Amino acid sequence: GQNIDQPTEMTATEGAIVQINCTYQTSGFNGLFWYQQHAGEAPTFLSYNVLDGLEEKGRFSSFLSRSKGYSYLLLKELQMKDSASYLCAFSGGYQKVTFGTGTKLQVIP
Amino acid sequence: NAGVTQTPKFRVLKTGQSMTLLCAQDMNHEYMYWYRQDPGMGLRLIHYSVGEGTTAKGEVPDGYNVSRLKKQNFLLGLESAAPSQTSVYFCASSYSPGRRETTDTQYFGPGTRLTVL
Repeated sequence: GQNIDQPTEMTATEGAIVQINCTYQTSGFNGLFWYQQHAGEAPTFLSYNVLDGLEEKGRFSSFLSRSKGYSYLLLKELQMKDSASYLCAFSGGYQKVTFGTGTKLQVIP
Repeated sequence: NAGVTQTPKFRVLKTGQSMTLLCAQDMNHEYMYWYRQDPGMGLRLIHYSVGEGTTAKGEVPDGYNVSRLKKQNFLLGLESAAPSQTSVYFCASSYSPGRRETTDTQYFGPGTRLTVL
C-alpha cells in the first residue's frame, strides 16, 4: 500500500537549523513534495524533488533518496514565522498526490 | 489573479441538511481536487477532476458528490450531512498546459470550515 511517515511534532530554537524527515512507501512514484501550512490556513507549495539529491531554495532545502524512500526538509536560520506544519507528500501518478499527516514545528525564542 | 477561491468560508449544518461548496480557480488549471483535513489524519482526497465534465473518486468519496461543468469551477455537494463530515475542506488545482511546472504541483484554496451538528 501507500504510506508516509513523518514526526508529529518538533521544537527548535530561533536562528537554529532543523531537519524534518519523511519516509514513504508506494508502488508508483513520480516525485516528493513539501508543503507548509500555518495554523488555520491553506497548504502552500515549498518544493518538489524528482531526482535524488539536495535542492536548495533560500533558507529551505529538500533532499530525496528514491532508493531509500526517504526525504528531508532542512530549514536554516529559523525564524518565528517558520512555526507551522510541514506536509510531506508524494506523487504516485494518475494526477493524485498522497499527503502525510504533517510535522508541527514550533520555533521558540 | 485570485488563484483558488472557496465559498463559503464557514458553515454550520444540522444533520440531514444539504449544501454545496464552491471552488473557483483563475489559473486555467486542468485538474481540480477536493480534500478534507481532520486532526491527525492529514489531507484526504474526496474527489478529483482531470478536466471539464470529468470526475473521479478519491480516497474518501462516500457521502459526497461533485460536478465540473465549467473548467474553472469544481462543486462539492453533501446531500445529507452527518456529524462525521465535520471537517475543514480544501479545494486545490494543478496543471496549466504550456507551463513548465510539474502537473502535480497543487495550489490550495483558503478552506471551508464545516460543522455538522
